[in-house]
This record gives sequence, structure tokens and C-alpha cells, in this order.
Amino acid sequence: EVQLVESGGGLVQPGGSLRLSCAASGFTFSSYWMSWVRQAPGKGLEWVANIKQDGSEKYYVDSVKGRFTISRDNAKNSLYLQMNSLRAEDTAVYYCARDRRSQGYWGQGTLVTVSS
Amino acid sequence: DVVMTQSPLSLPVTLGQPASISCRSSQSLVYSDGNTYLNWFQQRPGQSPRRLIYKVSNRDSGVPDRFSGSGSGTDFTLKISRVEAEDVGVYYCMQGTHPLVTFGPGTKVDIK
Repeated sequence: EVQLVESGGGLVQPGGSLRLSCAASGFTFSSYWMSWVRQAPGKGLEWVANIKQDGSEKYYVDSVKGRFTISRDNAKNSLYLQMNSLRAEDTAVYYCARDRRSQGYWGQGTLVTVSS
Repeated sequence: DVVMTQSPLSLPVTLGQPASISCRSSQSLVYSDGNTYLNWFQQRPGQSPRRLIYKVSNRDSGVPDRFSGSGSGTDFTLKISRVEAEDVGVYYCMQGTHPLVTFGPGTKVDIK
């Protein structure tokens, strides 16, 4: 059974940093693109970033470019999102999802709140 | 970036009646490999999104056959043949054809 479990969310002040993790199991992690998608409170889904199987290609939504970095550790079956210079508008539930083009599996999400 | 639009944004439906959601993209979603990466997701209240349909018309495992997807190019439709109470939630289309993935704004389905 495919499982994606996010962690690392919490309350952080504007300008601060946070690192999210996603632990994957039930499939060959190194064979899939992986993605981060977020959802602000009461709002719709927004794709944030994705990363190729070997980490050689990464794409970001414009609003996080230069502030967020997606990475992965295939030996640990883990996906990461390093978030720097956080803003109030980054407040959201962050989901990790499998695949690049079809997001077939999602985790339960982790809440990031940016507030002073 | 490819802009995804959906209509309607709110859809009150009667149990047992059909429902239809339209999704349009600002650019063609046909990829160079011949596939069209248009997907549909359901998000029930308090839950993570769940994929229902991938590549326009392919139903995911466990998805009831009352859900169907159709369309091509830039115009797509999700249909529910007979709405049930468990179908309440928000439905999103998503394109994965272009490098920057984009979602539609969502259509909220509830019971009249």
C-alpha cells in the first residue's frame, strides 16, 4: 500500500525557515517524480514544486522561487521542502504527492502557519 | 503558465440526479507523447484530495463508475451520473502536461 506521511509543519514567524519531510513507503520511491502541493485555509489547491527521480530536474511555482528548495533522499525514501523567508501567504496545509503529471497519491498533509 | 478555469464554481445537486463540471485550459493539454494529462480530484470535507480520473477519462481503482471524464485539447468535463451523498465535496481539475502544474479553482458540490 502506498503511504506518504508528511511532517515538520508548525508555527513560524515571518522571515523564518522550516523544513518539511515526506516519508514514502509501499512503492519504489526512486522511480517516481514527487511533488509538493499546498492549500491555504479555505482555499483551493496550489502546486508548489516537483522533482525528478534523480533530483536532476526541479520546478517551482513563481511565488516560491528563490525561497523554497525541493530535494529528496532516495536511500531514505524521503522528500523534503526547505522553506526560507516565509511569509504570511505561505500559511497552508502542505501535501506531498506522488508523480509529476498525475498526482496519483497524496499524504495527509502538514500545517504550516506563518504568523508573529 | 497554463490557466485552468472551472464552471460552475458552486453546484447544488439533488440526490440521484446527474451533475456535470466543466474545465478549460488556456493552452492545449496534449503532450508530445500523445497523452493529455488532465486529471480530476475530489476533496471531501476534512480530507486530503483523492484522484478520481487521470489522463482525461481513466477512472482510478475504487472510483465508482458513476464518475466519468471526457474532453480533448482545452475543454474537459467531469460527469456524475447519479449524485450520492458521499459525493459532497470540492472537485478540482489539474493539468500535468506543461512543466508548471496548475489546478482549477475548484467546484463545490453539495446537496440541495
